Amino acid sequence: KAGVTQTPRYLIKTRGQQVTLSCSPISGHRSVSWYQQTPGQGLQFLFEYFSETQRNKGNFPGRFSGRQFSNSRSEMNVSTLELGDSALYLCASSPGTTSYEQYFGPGTRLTVT
Amino acid sequence: GNSVTQMEGPVTLSEEAFLTINCTYTATGYPSLFWYVQYPGEGLQLLLKATKADDKGSNKGFEATYRKETTSFHLEKGSVQVSDSAVYFCALQAGTALIFGKGTTLSVSS
Repeated sequence: KAGVTQTPRYLIKTRGQQVTLSCSPISGHRSVSWYQQTPGQGLQFLFEYFSETQRNKGNFPGRFSGRQFSNSRSEMNVSTLELGDSALYLCASSPGTTSYEQYFGPGTRLTVT
Repeated sequence: GNSVTQMEGPVTLSEEAFLTINCTYTATGYPSLFWYVQYPGEGLQLLLKATKADDKGSNKGFEATYRKETTSFHLEKGSVQVSDSAVYFCALQAGTALIFGKGTTLSVSS
């Protein structure tokens, strides 16, 4: 089975812009979660989608949003970018029902200048 | 609330040395516990897991036992290799989210 894929792998944006990141889960997985990884805060949970519905949400401002499509692919959007949004954004997929074991993609490295 | 505490790194070892990375947790109930590994420039790979007390997870020579009494899930390996150099994260499952420790960097020299 193909693993979790994320696009793009690297992104450079300017403060104030918005950005959309994409994630394709493992085939058959219905749950997609997003995490932010920074040197200072470590790995933090953003949100989780299951069958196109947000099922769980972390403690991030409303500038961070996401969605999931009927094929389980997911996107996350960050609006009005700030310098502090520079991070590695990781997507993870899971069957989402009988098992919540999460499998991670390679991440998207976002740099905000 | 839920939290995970890992020993601070970096941990520097010679090849074939014994490895222990300590992990303790605070949680409501008995969550599933995981160890993930991250190699430079990559995402996280699931190394092993345990879903209930006294379970032992194992993979690629690494082991960890779910200890309810001490709320711990320490990672061990009997003989490390240079290729084990990476960052190791302990995590617990809180609902559908993972709560991670800060990570421990392991550096193994030949």
